[in-house]
Amino acid sequence: GNSVTQMEGPVTLSEEAFLTINCTYTATGYPSLFWYVQYPGEGLQLLLKATKADDKGSNKGFEATYRKETTSFHLEKGSVQVSDSAVYFCALRTGGGNKLTFGTGTQLKVEL
Amino acid sequence: DAGITQSPRYKITETGRQVTLMCHQTWSHSYMFWYRQDLGHGLRLIYYSAAADITDKGEVPDGYVVSRSKTENFPLTLESATRSQTSVYFCASRNGTFLRQETQYFGPGTRLLVL
Repeated sequence: GNSVTQMEGPVTLSEEAFLTINCTYTATGYPSLFWYVQYPGEGLQLLLKATKADDKGSNKGFEATYRKETTSFHLEKGSVQVSDSAVYFCALRTGGGNKLTFGTGTQLKVEL
Repeated sequence: DAGITQSPRYKITETGRQVTLMCHQTWSHSYMFWYRQDLGHGLRLIYYSAAADITDKGEVPDGYVVSRSKTENFPLTLESATRSQTSVYFCASRNGTFLRQETQYFGPGTRLLVL
């Protein structure tokens, strides 16, 4: 079956530090990959996505590249801000399927 | 306002009571979903619906009932609440036109406490 593995949190960084949140997956077929962000007290919002190998999704300074050879979709940002503090979820969906499979989420705390 | 809304946002109930969580979306999206969010588990799919009057089980459907008589509404009912159903519940929707490209949009969530 499908599964998504994310690095354990919380991740605590100083403002302007470089961020990497690791995500690897197991899936049948060729999944689409997503990063969602959840700010405190809110629902999930799509941050970025990639639908085929070597695609790079990007948004708000965040990037992630779909690496089929390593089955990974790591989230990166060059300089984090306090406002980036949130929980980040990696997710996948296979083919035309209806179900998103989520990782357990990684909490990011950015301090001044 | 346009979008996806959930009600109530917070609910406290007792074991054995019936509880219904409401979800409403204004986009006329064909697909709607219910997830629960628990620490250490991320989000798990409870039920989903591809269109009005079409529903299917997700990963953790036991103890829950759904219905979809109208495209815009997708209520989730806990027929006899248990403490293990204490969780945060999220509703989501997406269009079904181009399945590989479409994004799911999430509601703000309902925090449910079962005493």
